[in-house]
Amino acid sequence: DGGITQSPKYLFRKEGQNVTLSCEQNLNHDAMYWYRQDPGQGLRLIYYSQIVNDFQKGDIAEGYSVSREKKESFPLTVTSAQKNPTAFYLCASSMVRGRDTGELFFGEGSRLTVL
Amino acid sequence: GQNIDQPTEMTATEGAIVQINCTYQTSGFNGLFWYQQHAGEAPTFLSYNVLDGLEEKGRFSSFLSRSKGYSYLLLKELQMKDSASYLCAVGGNDYKLSFGAGTTVTVRA
Repeated sequence: DGGITQSPKYLFRKEGQNVTLSCEQNLNHDAMYWYRQDPGQGLRLIYYSQIVNDFQKGDIAEGYSVSREKKESFPLTVTSAQKNPTAFYLCASSMVRGRDTGELFFGEGSRLTVL
Repeated sequence: GQNIDQPTEMTATEGAIVQINCTYQTSGFNGLFWYQQHAGEAPTFLSYNVLDGLEEKGRFSSFLSRSKGYSYLLLKELQMKDSASYLCAVGGNDYKLSFGAGTTVTVRA
């Protein structure tokens, strides 16, 4: 079945460590996104990518990095520079139609806890 | 940028109707989405409006007024499983989707 796979589902990290969250999609979607969700808050955009080998900063990119070497994959690295990394991270993808934002399809999410 | 407002919480009785309002101010507009999110899970798509008017899909309907920067999601014949957070999201320029903080709906027996 087509969909988006995020891993790991749960991750614990010590302060000062970098961690990479995986996101893979087999929907043949052009655009991919990373959102962060904190309790009582909406989804905030970290990074997004419209095409391979290109990505743009979202609203809260500081302390994060991404790559888009393949259309199917958009991994997110949470670096030690991110001050409050404990959160629920959601990866999503969408078709691109002209300049319209297509419906987002979400992965199951990765919950990162910094100890 | 985008500014999206929706109520924080709503409570209703099983079988009733609830209307969740969403107002937005955007620098560009490419459609308005509603998503449902159960606790600890990923959001799932409910509806999409790009033109003014009402879109009906079973028990759920969504309305859009672009001139007023206003939308609502109407949930009819509420069921216990409808207890969830409902997210209003606006598509802007450059393929970005901005989300409101979400409205937590609690359905009581």
